[in-house]
Amino acid sequence: SQQGEEDPQALSIQEGENATMNCSYKTSINNLQWYRQNSGRGLVHLILIRSNEREKHSGRLRVTLDTSKKSSSLLITASRAADTASYFCATNLRSQGGKLIFGQGTELSVKP
Amino acid sequence: GAGVSQSPSNKVTEKGKDVELRCDPISGHTALYWYRQSLGQGLEFLIYFQGNSAPDKSGLPSDRFSAERTGGSVSTLTIQRTQQEDSAVYLCASSLGLAGSETQYFGPGTRLLVL
Repeated sequence: SQQGEEDPQALSIQEGENATMNCSYKTSINNLQWYRQNSGRGLVHLILIRSNEREKHSGRLRVTLDTSKKSSSLLITASRAADTASYFCATNLRSQGGKLIFGQGTELSVKP
Repeated sequence: GAGVSQSPSNKVTEKGKDVELRCDPISGHTALYWYRQSLGQGLEFLIYFQGNSAPDKSGLPSDRFSAERTGGSVSTLTIQRTQQEDSAVYLCASSLGLAGSETQYFGPGTRLLVL
């Protein structure tokens, strides 16, 4: 089964609202990374959070990590139509070397 | 500076032909990764290279797939005797330091269609 499972699979909100996406995983991680993808092409890196960190911010993005619950969340505040994209969490596992294991992603639609 | 580049952007081939996909990582990045993304399987790890160490090939789906990284920089992913199920977007990424511990920066991908 997938290491990273994301919830919800799809999210539709109005511009200005906040969007929260969740990611759960099963085994111990070195770090967890969030990516955005537009139109099924290249992945844009958003935030990397390490296993000893609990929260990170970047502009309108806030990522939290709860290693006791094996979960992470990505919050986008004051969303814009340009935030419409697919968002993926990816985990780097302690036992798996350099590879990233991706979740299935959340499709975010922000309506103007 | 320049990001990860991949070529070609799109490739259409006939079943049974061989294809080569190229990746130019960010200059100075020691780790290079290949992933593929298809509708049915999502984003899957294929292989990664870390410096001069032996590559981790654990994600390659069959022995028709191989990759090499010459001179610690450019990498080529080769698919021999392509099958229709190989149709996917092939994504390359690179990172500065120890594989897995740093941000992986992705290229735009090569969209492969096997007819």
